Amino acid sequence: DAEITQSPRHKITETGRQVTLACHQTWNHNNMFWYRQDLGHGLRLIHYSYGVQDTNKGEVSDGYSVSRSNTEDLPLTLESAASSQTSVYFCASSEGILAGQETQYFGPGTRLLVL
Amino acid sequence: AQSVTQLDSQVPVFEEAPVELRCNYSSSVSVYLFWYVQYPNQGLQLLLKYLSGSTLVKGINGFEAEFNKSQTSFHLRKPSVHISDTAEYFCAVSDPDGTSYGKLTFGQGTILTVHP
Repeated sequence: DAEITQSPRHKITETGRQVTLACHQTWNHNNMFWYRQDLGHGLRLIHYSYGVQDTNKGEVSDGYSVSRSNTEDLPLTLESAASSQTSVYFCASSEGILAGQETQYFGPGTRLLVL
Repeated sequence: AQSVTQLDSQVPVFEEAPVELRCNYSSSVSVYLFWYVQYPNQGLQLLLKYLSGSTLVKGINGFEAEFNKSQTSFHLRKPSVHISDTAEYFCAVSDPDGTSYGKLTFGQGTILTVHP
């Protein structure tokens, strides 16, 4: 069955370190998204991609970067981790054919703690 | 920019009671509307979505939602809840035009707790 996976599921890091969170989908979807989930804020969009070599900033992109070198993967990098980036991170994908109508499929999440 | 407001952060109910989770959105133009559910320690999964047509949308697990354009609302309902419905529920909106292609704006979430 097609799926979307995230690794690691839990990560503890120190302030200032570079951290990369992996996202891999086997749906062959064009669109991929990264969100962070914080209490009282719901999910907020960090970065998104409509296809290989395409990346775009979301509403909370400062301090994060992504790259899309193939269809399956969209790794999220925290350039220099800050305590404010302690959060639960979700990756999602959608087919990318019917603008706005499509269901997004979510990974299980990565819980990141920055000390 | 779009915004979504979920009017209740927490909703406690007893098993077999009806429940309504409220959602209002800001846009005055046509939008697509979604409800997602997040069970503990899991990712989100789609409950239902409104794209066009009938304003009453039926989803999985007995949930339904009603789109009300004049009130810019998309409230989620279930006539009789089960313990297994305990989860966090998110309302989300998507623009139908190409400038916001496939992006979702989420509400803050409503935690539904079903008590025996």
